[in-house]
Amino acid sequence: SSELTQPPSVSVSPGQTARITCSADALPRQYGHWYQQRPGQAPILIIYKDTERPSGIPERFSGSTSGTTVTLTISGVQAEDEADYYCQSADSSGTLVFGGGTKLTVL
Amino acid sequence: QVHLVQSGAEVKKPGSSVKVSCKASGGSFSSFIISWVRQAPGQGLEWMGGIIPTSGTTVYTQKFQGRVTITADEYTNTAYMEVRSLRSEDTAVYYCARELVGATNWFDPWGQGTLVTVSS
Repeated sequence: SSELTQPPSVSVSPGQTARITCSADALPRQYGHWYQQRPGQAPILIIYKDTERPSGIPERFSGSTSGTTVTLTISGVQAEDEADYYCQSADSSGTLVFGGGTKLTVL
Repeated sequence: QVHLVQSGAEVKKPGSSVKVSCKASGGSFSSFIISWVRQAPGQGLEWMGGIIPTSGTTVYTQKFQGRVTITADEYTNTAYMEVRSLRSEDTAVYYCARELVGATNWFDPWGQGTLVTVSS
């Protein structure tokens, strides 16, 4: 079982803001990272070290952190953003772990 | 820009072994950490372990310790992941990824994935 807790699903209409949370006791001491996985494709990194965005990732993707929760925010959601989103961090022993994933549905 | 290309899909019988390759290009392989992540059908991502090619140092999660071996060949910029004693539950897509170091490591980029099907 994952030590990072994500909601199984989030639904938003195009143009709205989607927020996906990821919670774990270790997060105040560890960074959180986010990946997008479209159906049938490999994951891609969209946010690292809580808030950093790799080059080539649209500005509508942003990350934030507060206490035991990291949050991925997608502003002005587009149809192409429909995908599974995974957070990733490390547990208390340093083992790299993923959240269970959140399916984003664009209505 | 680093690019990882994996070997093709495999169909294996229970009890056999499979070895998946991951060839890197566009970067200095000697400075990489290569990790492997598994995704069972319809399930989430699961880190299996990784290797520092220059030293051959490996780390495995407890779940895969003893049944999985990760190796690397610096001369061909290729990493390998072997799973032995395959069972149906090992049916999954296996991804390699470069692991980046920074307090809490992360993965970028990823290979395209290799589907391993275990079936009698």
